[in-house]
Amino acid sequence: DSGVTQTPKHLITATGQRVTLRCSPRSGDLSVYWYQQSLDQGLQFLIHYYNGEERAKGNILERFSAQQFPDLHSELNLSSLELGDSALYFCASSVVEGSGNTIYFGEGSWLTVV
Amino acid sequence: GQQVMQIPQYQHVQEGEDFTTYCNSSTTLSNIQWYKQRPGGHPVFLIQLVKSGEVKKQKRLTFQFGEAKKNSSLHITATQTTDVGTYFCVYSGAGSYQLTFGKGTKLSVIP
Repeated sequence: DSGVTQTPKHLITATGQRVTLRCSPRSGDLSVYWYQQSLDQGLQFLIHYYNGEERAKGNILERFSAQQFPDLHSELNLSSLELGDSALYFCASSVVEGSGNTIYFGEGSWLTVV
Repeated sequence: GQQVMQIPQYQHVQEGEDFTTYCNSSTTLSNIQWYKQRPGGHPVFLIQLVKSGEVKKQKRLTFQFGEAKKNSSLHITATQTTDVGTYFCVYSGAGSYQLTFGKGTKLSVIP
């Protein structure tokens, strides 16, 4: 158990819908990262927050948004869902930010768009 | 921009054979990390390399960081079925907060 909690574990929704994925980082961790992993694909970096502020943005679609709240939990919002958005979405956290920090992954949220 | 290639993409070995995966960068890396993802699981941190020419060992796993800090390797001696999974190198550009995963090497071990 990494200490990073993601909900929901599984989600099935229709195209055009909107979903919110939630992440609670490890106790004391200020950094939260979101990654997308499609079938047989690597991990695509989406976005990184540190203590409530956006720090880096990767290949995140405009239909996707995220935020980190004062209690440090984070939410990833996916809207106007398309079939291609079906993937495993990981949240990870670390104590500080930047390179050289070990990041701890949650179990992931499986999103299926039908 | 920074380009990091991880090879091979797939590797099938007989149990007991050795395995190596490589990450090669077009630019100097400040550090590199390695993660393992078991089938159906999430990535788990294995090691971090920071110094030029650094070599670290964890039981049957040997990690190396090149002298120029542009390449790294993970070598597993005498693979076991428990080694099955995808191995990722993870890096970030100088001054960047973005941690980027390589494409990964998927290891299959045939008993």
